[in-house]
Amino acid sequence: KNQVEQSPQSLIILEGKNCTLQCNYTVSPFSNLRWYKQDTGRGPVSLTIMTFSENTKSNGRYTATLDADTKQSSLHITASQLSDSASYICVVSALWGAQKLVFGQGTRLTINP
Amino acid sequence: DTEVTQTPKHLVMGMTNKKSLKCEQHMGHRAMYWYKQKAKKPPELMFVYSYEKLSINESVPSRFSPECPNSSLLNLHLHALQPEDSALYLCASSGGQGFDEQFFGPGTRLTVL
Repeated sequence: KNQVEQSPQSLIILEGKNCTLQCNYTVSPFSNLRWYKQDTGRGPVSLTIMTFSENTKSNGRYTATLDADTKQSSLHITASQLSDSASYICVVSALWGAQKLVFGQGTRLTINP
Repeated sequence: DTEVTQTPKHLVMGMTNKKSLKCEQHMGHRAMYWYKQKAKKPPELMFVYSYEKLSINESVPSRFSPECPNSSLLNLHLHALQPEDSALYLCASSGGQGFDEQFFGPGTRLTVL
């Protein structure tokens, strides 16, 4: 079954601290993996998108890694800011259905001052 | 223009009402999507239009009727909805070429009384 699992479900950290979110997937054959940030009541915004051959991709304070062999990805946030409070969703696309994305349940991140 | 717009932002309707949600993009994308998102859950795909033709219908009840008047516009007509249809409705678009990134709109918060 094609699934995407994220951990932790929720995370609370202090402003300025770093954190890492995890994503494991069983989607096959793999096409690409995306991390989205979604503020409450708003649409998801893309942070990174990685294909099979990419191991690391950065977008400002966000760095995503991908291990296609173990089917794991992580999103590392450096020097967190209050505006980083949001849900972070890992999304995987398969070769058999590029338009039908497989979504993880998301990690709810809260940054406290 | 690199955004997807949706109107209205909020909509409250009774179970006997007929209303429409609208989505627009001017990025030249040829694929457009409707998603439904319940609180604390990932988006669920409803419909996909590719080159103005309905290509995917995820067994959505007929009280939801999509329409794609042209490559820039996507509508979702609502009729005889149920309270459990209350959700955030997201529109997205992509280039249409297989593995293109999907860009999401801000969503319409729908409440059915």
